[in-house]
Amino acid sequence: AQSVAQPEDQVNVAEGNPLTVKCTYSVSGNPYLFWYVQYPNRGLQFLLKYITGDNLVKGSYGFEAEFNKSQTSFHLKKPSALVSDSALYFCAVRDRGGKLIFGQGTELSVKP
Amino acid sequence: EAGVTQFPSHSVIEKGQTVTLRCDPISGHDNLYWYRRVMGKEIKFLLHFVKESKQDESGMPNNRFLAERTGGTYSTLKVQPAELEDSGVYFCASSQWQGAAYEQYFGPGTRLTVT
Repeated sequence: AQSVAQPEDQVNVAEGNPLTVKCTYSVSGNPYLFWYVQYPNRGLQFLLKYITGDNLVKGSYGFEAEFNKSQTSFHLKKPSALVSDSALYFCAVRDRGGKLIFGQGTELSVKP
Repeated sequence: EAGVTQFPSHSVIEKGQTVTLRCDPISGHDNLYWYRRVMGKEIKFLLHFVKESKQDESGMPNNRFLAERTGGTYSTLKVQPAELEDSGVYFCASSQWQGAAYEQYFGPGTRLTVT
């Protein structure tokens, strides 16, 4: 069965520092990986995806994610965090049927 | 282009009552998905429509949940009778294509509270 794990419930970062939100996955075959963000009182917004090709994927709002096949990881990164990045982040893998399988989410808090 | 919309944004009902959630996908999107997040846990898949047909309903928790998509446009998710454990946020998403490479666009969710 396919699964996604986000080992940290919460990540705290100072504004201007780099941030990493961790995600590991377990799939059979090639993974289709996604990151979504949920701002307070808003729906899920698509950030980026890895389908094939370059292991470093660039997305919205300056975020990027690195696909690492040997470590089965797809960590979300940003070189310099903003207070406005504070939100709930979800990693997901998509199965062949089309449905998304999500991790439990990581609350990112960026303090000034 | 309008995004995915959901109604209501919040619903509070008593155990045993009925609630109907509505989702309007992005125009032209044949694929419509329902998910829910319960008690701050992971977001879990409920079911997938392709046009008006149920492609995959493996995530529906039990027969108290009924989803429809008449005419292949908007969808409704009815919970009857509601139980306490049904409380959570129900998300709807749509995509134009079914392939795994295509992202799904999510609505703002309906927060259901069963008391």
